[in-house]
Order: sequence, then structure tokens, then C-alpha cells
Amino acid sequence: DQQVKQNSPSLSVQEGRISILNCDYTNSMFDYFLWYKKYPAEGPTFLISISSIKDKNEDGRFTVFLNKSAKHLSLHIVPSQPGDSAVYFCAASGTSGTYKYIFGTGTRLKVLA
Amino acid sequence: GAGVSQTPSNKVTEKGKYVELRCDPISGHTALYWYRQSLGQGPEFLIYFQGTGAADDSGLPNDRFFAVRPEGSVSTLKIQRTERGDSAVYLCASSPRGGMTDTQYFGPGTRLTVL
Repeated sequence: DQQVKQNSPSLSVQEGRISILNCDYTNSMFDYFLWYKKYPAEGPTFLISISSIKDKNEDGRFTVFLNKSAKHLSLHIVPSQPGDSAVYFCAASGTSGTYKYIFGTGTRLKVLA
Repeated sequence: GAGVSQTPSNKVTEKGKYVELRCDPISGHTALYWYRQSLGQGPEFLIYFQGTGAADDSGLPNDRFFAVRPEGSVSTLKIQRTERGDSAVYLCASSPRGGMTDTQYFGPGTRLTVL
């Protein structure tokens, strides 16, 4: 049972344009969400997070939107740069006191120069 | 400062052998997590330590998997009688206290291949 889903395995975007990565979840008890970026042969790197009490969080070129009623979140990258090419994982937390992360399967973003 | 480190970076073993994977968390971080990432999947939770104790081991797939953190810093994940299905990248993460808004910082992982 996949509680966190990233339905787009890959996405290609032109440099300078907006990248939108989507994530859906099924467990309404999740109350904290994160995005991680992963380059080959490296561990995931934290990008941005959002608490369930908010619907938007912004950090430079990265913005995460949360729609609790739809159980959906998205990551917007504006403007996209070639260095953003990586696999992006959505993660959710909060259903247990240990705050373990439940990850989606990832979306591979390719930013074309 | 130094991030999370994991050794070895790659481990190739034969079916049925025993392996140990090591994680050095960020200094001072009390919370330590192990995850496993199979090909085409996201990381899957295995076990969480708060200090020296395993606070949540609900993700360990079976009793062939065991992890320790005897002094509250370095952790070792141990796999007995390895099977081909154990082949994956094993990731370790640490966070300052293990709270909800504490970011988990990941190491580069150990790629385990069971032949």
C-alpha cells in the first residue's frame, strides 16, 4: 500500500521555465511533508518542507504548496536550472512518534539547457 | 562540519553470508535512522534509534536484520544469511533530536549486492 505517490516518473523542462513536481498521499494523519533531491551516488539532500498548518512555503527558487483537502502537494522550481537535474522525492511524516519518513518513488527531473 | 558518513560505499557478498554496514552520524545528533532503497523505489524506513535504544524497529523486514548503536553515536546494521533480495542501497540519516521538524540528513549510502 503506497501511502505517498509520485505518479510522474520523469519530467523534462527547458532551462529558465517552471518545473512542477507533484505528490499525492493517502494518510490524512500525515502532518509534515518534505522534498528531497538526489544526485547519482549521493544520499538524498533536504530541499524544503511544509507543516500541515500551512498551505505554502517558499525558499528562494523553491516553493512547496500543500492542498490538504486533496491530499496533494507540489514543488515549484522557478526558474529551472540545469543543476536542478536530479531525482526528487516527496516524503511525509507524523503518523508515529518516531517521525520516520514515508517516501514516494521519485520523479527524475531533467532541465534542458 | 562533517556530514553523515557510511562505510563501505559498496559491498558485494555471496548469498548466505553475513554483512555489517556502518553509519557515522553528524556529531551531537541523538536520532539515527536506517532506510533501504531498492531500484526504482524511494527509501523505505527500517529502524530508528534515539540515543542508544531502538525506539522503532517496525521496518526491519525479518529477524535476519539487526542494528545496534551501543554508545549513541556510530550505528551498525547487521544482516545475517543474506539473500539476493537484500540487494539495495542502505541509507543512514541523523537528526538533532528526532522531532517532527528536525530535518533528517542522509549519508551517501552503502550499495549492497548479494550474488
